[in-house]
Amino acid sequence: AQTVTQSQPEMSVQEAETVTLSCTYDTSESDYYLFWYKQPPSRQMILVIRQEAYKQQNATENRFSVNFQKAAKSFSLKISDSQLGDAAMYFCAYRAATNKLIFGTGTLLAVQP
Amino acid sequence: DAMVIQNPRYQVTQFGKPVTLSCSQTLNHNVMYWYQQKSSQAPKLLFHYYDKDFNNEADTPDNFQSRRPNTSFCFLDIRSPGLGDAAMYLCATSRARQGDGETQYFGPGTRLLVL
Repeated sequence: AQTVTQSQPEMSVQEAETVTLSCTYDTSESDYYLFWYKQPPSRQMILVIRQEAYKQQNATENRFSVNFQKAAKSFSLKISDSQLGDAAMYFCAYRAATNKLIFGTGTLLAVQP
Repeated sequence: DAMVIQNPRYQVTQFGKPVTLSCSQTLNHNVMYWYQQKSSQAPKLLFHYYDKDFNNEADTPDNFQSRRPNTSFCFLDIRSPGLGDAAMYLCATSRARQGDGETQYFGPGTRLLVL
């Protein structure tokens, strides 16, 4: 069975600085998708970034980028030029072949002004 | 704007009193999901519909049922809510087509309180 591990329950970053959130996963599948979702307090879960496992190039969305290391089964999220609105719970997720999203336990990011 | 809508946003029910949560979508996605998310935890998949095909997770209690009368709507029925069922319930949709990554799009959630 696939598992997703986020080893950092909480992180803090200064506004305008860069922060990296860690995620590792375990799977025997060769083709899969990985996601980072953001869930602000009492607000909707929204997609931050997506990575297809067959693509070697790391995905980038504006200030958000990933470091995807397939052999190491690592999928970290880098947030550049952090903003106050980035404060949220961040979930790493793996999409299994069965349509199921398997989430990590989340990392709560605080952004200090 | 295309979206996933959940009603109500907050629901209070009594112990043992059946409750229904609603989800609708304007994305025309063929897959709809229901997740349970307890405080400070990751969402846990309860079940999903692939078109009209219902797929239950093995550890979803029998107390939880779902209906999908058409593409746009999906309902979560809790037949006899217990105190342990108090949680946020998230509805999500995806377009199950290769190349789209089956990204799931989430609604705002319904927070259920059981008294």
